[in-house]
Amino acid sequence: GEDVEQSLFLSVREGDSSVINCTYTDSSSTYLYWYKQEPGAGLQLLTYIFSNMDMKQDQRLTVLLNKKDKHLSLRIADTQTGDSAIYFCALTGGGNKLTFGTGTQLKVEL
Amino acid sequence: GAVVSQHPSRVICKSGTSVKIECRSLDFQATTMFWYRQFPKKSLMLMATSNEGSKATYEQGVEKDKFLINHASLTLSTLTVTSAHPEDSSFYICSAPQRGGFGDTQYFGPGTRLTVL
Repeated sequence: GEDVEQSLFLSVREGDSSVINCTYTDSSSTYLYWYKQEPGAGLQLLTYIFSNMDMKQDQRLTVLLNKKDKHLSLRIADTQTGDSAIYFCALTGGGNKLTFGTGTQLKVEL
Repeated sequence: GAVVSQHPSRVICKSGTSVKIECRSLDFQATTMFWYRQFPKKSLMLMATSNEGSKATYEQGVEKDKFLINHASLTLSTLTVTSAHPEDSSFYICSAPQRGGFGDTQYFGPGTRLTVL
């Protein structure tokens, strides 16, 4: 099956940029997503990228996709304390099934 | 964006009882819904695909008799944890895809925290 890996933890200072990385093994996914999960809550879709794109920018969020290296990243500019959460990348499989990454906990310090 | 609700948000029950969790798509119809389980500080694991009008499809290793799924209408799917035991304690999340211009987007419910004593 698909393996989707993320680093477990990232700590940044408020105002800095955060870069969360995701590597995967199966390159057949049409869409690749980034979700945010705050403590005790469900998942919020942050952004997505279509597989034939290299980059997508959406306000403070920039998604980069390197299909050759099977690497996806999410950059958050001007990181705020409200950005503290767990971030999951997710890939689509057959039948709308999502395979989630292992999750990265982002901690924003003052 | 679309809204998916879950009820209850939190439930505590005694070992041996059954617990029903509802997942509703509030402003769109969903012929398919997904049920996930999440352990503390872990990723989401897909348990099953709920199909309106037909049987659910379970992922490998998930007991279908333990986790009963019923997709009663185009806006409601229920997950019943039968004869719950402490090892069933977990965070259960549902999602429903909504067809959009770039394909189907999954919208997630807020989750249900199940604690079995």
